[in-house]
Amino acid sequence: AQTVTQSQPEMSVQEAETVTLSCTYDTSESDYYLFWYKQPPSRQMILVIRQEAYKQQNATENRFSVNFQKAAKSFSLKISDSQLGDAAMYFCAYRSAIMIYNQGGKLIFGQGTELSVKP
Amino acid sequence: DAGVTQSPTHLIKTRGQQVTLRCSPKSGHDTVSWYQQALGQGPQFIFQYYEEEERQRGNFPDRFSGHQFPNYSSELNVNALLLGDSALYLCASSSKTGYSNQPQHFGDGTRLSIL
Repeated sequence: AQTVTQSQPEMSVQEAETVTLSCTYDTSESDYYLFWYKQPPSRQMILVIRQEAYKQQNATENRFSVNFQKAAKSFSLKISDSQLGDAAMYFCAYRSAIMIYNQGGKLIFGQGTELSVKP
Repeated sequence: DAGVTQSPTHLIKTRGQQVTLRCSPKSGHDTVSWYQQALGQGPQFIFQYYEEEERQRGNFPDRFSGHQFPNYSSELNVNALLLGDSALYLCASSSKTGYSNQPQHFGDGTRLSIL
């Protein structure tokens, strides 16, 4: 069974600075997807960035980028130029790429990292 | 373009009662997944519906059941409620077309409190 681990329950960053959130995962599959979701107090889970395991190039979305190390099973999120609106709970998630009889697609989440941004 | 909508927003029940939560997927989506998120934890997968059938199930007892309607909306039913069922219940939708590259879109959730 696949597992996702986020070892940092809480992180803090100064506004305009850079912060990196860590995530490791365990799987025996070779093809899968990794995601970072943001959950503000409003509760809605918002997709921040995604990475396909078959792609060697790290994904980037504006101020958000990842460091994907497939061999090490590591998937960290870097937030540059942090803003007050980045304060939220961040979840790392795994999804298998295997589709059998229309099954598949469940997300496996880590425990989350609560990010606070200081003005 | 409406996103994923869930109702109700908040619900209070007592132990032993039954509850039904509802979800309308994002326009163009045909697959609905349900997750349970306990306070301070990451969401846990309950089950997924596609073509009105349960396609995949997580490690949840039979007290948790669901349904998907022809318009792709879905219900989550929980019987014989326990205190431990108190959580935020999230609905997520996606499309099977081009499935492998499509992320799930989440609703705002239903906060269920058991007294």
